[in-house]
Amino acid sequence: DAGVTQSPTHLIKTRGQQVTLRCSPISGHKSVSWYQQVLGQGPQFIFQYYEKEERGRGNFPDRFSARQFPNYSSELNVNALLLGDSALYLCASSWEGKGYGYTFGSGTRLTVV
Amino acid sequence: GENVEQHPSTLSVQEGDSAVIKCTYSDSASNYFPWYKQELGKRPQLIIDIRSNVGEKKDQRIAVTLNKTAKHFSLHITETQPEDSAVYFCAAPRGRSNDYKLSFGAGTTVTVRA
Repeated sequence: DAGVTQSPTHLIKTRGQQVTLRCSPISGHKSVSWYQQVLGQGPQFIFQYYEKEERGRGNFPDRFSARQFPNYSSELNVNALLLGDSALYLCASSWEGKGYGYTFGSGTRLTVV
Repeated sequence: GENVEQHPSTLSVQEGDSAVIKCTYSDSASNYFPWYKQELGKRPQLIIDIRSNVGEKKDQRIAVTLNKTAKHFSLHITETQPEDSAVYFCAAPRGRSNDYKLSFGAGTTVTVRA
């Protein structure tokens, strides 16, 4: 079985640019959550989508947005990039949208210069 | 919201010894407590979890204990091996109504000395 897949694996962007990160959940999982992990810290919750609807968002500015497609894959968009957005962006999938048994993808390493 | 504090931030142990990591949480309604292991450059992987209706759970060399009254839970690794070297994160959901939002501790870097 394929796990959670994320693309791209690495990305370098300039301040002010926009970026789109992609995630495909485990087959059969209906929920995708996005987390930001700054170097040396634990992951921070950004969004969760369950059955294609936003279920909640964390304490992130409106520059961060996401959506979930009919096939349950998801995109995370970040506009007007800041240096502080440099981080590992992790996608986690789960079957029923609870925090139980999250499976994380390998992440996208975003560097803003 | 949920605040999870994790201690210690770094832990160095001799191979074969035990390692213990402790976390405290603030929301008494939290009902699920997972532990993740993250090796350098890799994804966090769930290694063990516990629900609020039990006090202890074991899986081979790993165990987790939960004290709901004191609102803390701990990870115990016995007979440590070099492959146990990694960063370990505890987490707790932000209450029953937000059980999909996991709050993570800051992590503990465990180094097992051969």
